Amino acid sequence: TQLLEQSPQFLSIQEGENLTVYCNSSSVFSSLQWYRQEPGEGPVLLVTVVTGGEVKKLKRLTFQFGDARKDSSLHITAAQPGDTGLYLCAAYNFNKFYFGSGTKLNVKP
Amino acid sequence: EAQVTQNPRYLITVTGKKLTVTCSQNMNHEYMSWYRQDPGLGLRQIYYSMNVEVTDKGDVPEGYKVSRKEKRNFPLILESPSPNQTSLYFCASSPRILGEGQPQHFGDGTRLSIL
Repeated sequence: TQLLEQSPQFLSIQEGENLTVYCNSSSVFSSLQWYRQEPGEGPVLLVTVVTGGEVKKLKRLTFQFGDARKDSSLHITAAQPGDTGLYLCAAYNFNKFYFGSGTKLNVKP
Repeated sequence: EAQVTQNPRYLITVTGKKLTVTCSQNMNHEYMSWYRQDPGLGLRQIYYSMNVEVTDKGDVPEGYKVSRKEKRNFPLILESPSPNQTSLYFCASSPRILGEGQPQHFGDGTRLSIL
């Protein structure tokens, strides 16, 4: 059983479309991170959210941490082919890191 | 350049032959960790280390050993590898954990195949 459930698992969209990826848990976390991974490379941190209800923006990417600090979402506006990759959420609890199973995004030109 | 270096990047070996995957970081990070990545399962933590000589089990430690004799190095040891340990392995490091998740810096991965 995954501590963090991500949805959807796969997403294939056209360039210019908007999308949202979800990361849910029944546990409360002090913070939650989003990473992006490209083939043949390790994950790279996009953002850390720490406060319930917090919203952070990174250009066309908007990250939200749920009020109860159990869930998070990543919204991409006007997706581009360069956004293609595997998006992973991760949480830290009692010295350990837990990752979701990931959302594989393919943006077609 | 700040980085986490893993070696080897690729390894094909046979069941039962002991192997070590090395990991080194040059950022003076206290926290280091090993993960395995399998399709549909995301990354699962194998072992982590809070500092030199301090290691602890992650979610999937069976069949693995680690050591942290120096701050920069955190090798992953498979004493008797089995085919179910075929996977993509990542080493990561981060600054000292202060009660909330610090950013982790990942190596480029080691693809391990055990026949």
